[in-house]
Amino acid sequence: EAQVTQNPRYLITVTGKKLTVTCSQNMNHEYMSWYRQDPGLGLRQIYYSMNVEVTDKGDVPEGYKVSRKEKRNFPLILESPSPNQTSLYFCASSRDRGYQETQYFGPGTRLLVL
Amino acid sequence: GNSVTQMEGPVTLSEEAFLTINCTYTATGYPSLFWYVQYPGEGLQLLLKATKADDKGSNKGFEATYRKETTSFHLEKGSVQVSDSAVYFCALLETSYDKVIFGPGTSLSVIP
Repeated sequence: EAQVTQNPRYLITVTGKKLTVTCSQNMNHEYMSWYRQDPGLGLRQIYYSMNVEVTDKGDVPEGYKVSRKEKRNFPLILESPSPNQTSLYFCASSRDRGYQETQYFGPGTRLLVL
Repeated sequence: GNSVTQMEGPVTLSEEAFLTINCTYTATGYPSLFWYVQYPGEGLQLLLKATKADDKGSNKGFEATYRKETTSFHLEKGSVQVSDSAVYFCALLETSYDKVIFGPGTSLSVIP
């Protein structure tokens, strides 16, 4: 089954404690992306990757890091989380940049930073 | 810059009522337009799309027409069901394919 998986699904942490949210896709997609969803703001892109070892900033990259060492994985790293990073996070993938409308979305990771 | 505006929610309708969710956009060039649906506890799924002016996207009884003259892409359904309860996002893909820009989302609740 074609899917994007994220872990963990729910996470409560404290300010400053480094965390990683994993994302994996099994469709051999080149394009992967991280979004955060906040009430009234819709989805905003944090980082994206067009292929292995190619990553770039989206609209709200501050406080986040990513890496793309393998095609299937695209982890999101919060080096020093802060309360304003409390949000719902989605990973997504598509065949390539030109097929972003048919992105497959993961189930989401709800993060609370105290 | 490019942007998408949607009507504020939440929207509450009775089953079999007519649904309209308004969406307008600001963009340079000729973007593609989409509606996504997010069911409770799930990620977004593409519902329908239109790639050029006057195109009509349709799926699962939902329709939306790309109106360049009014820069709009309103979502409609003639008879909603309880199972249509979800959050609906209007979005555009920039002509340069740089990224998808999402509206804020409209929550729909359909009551029996």
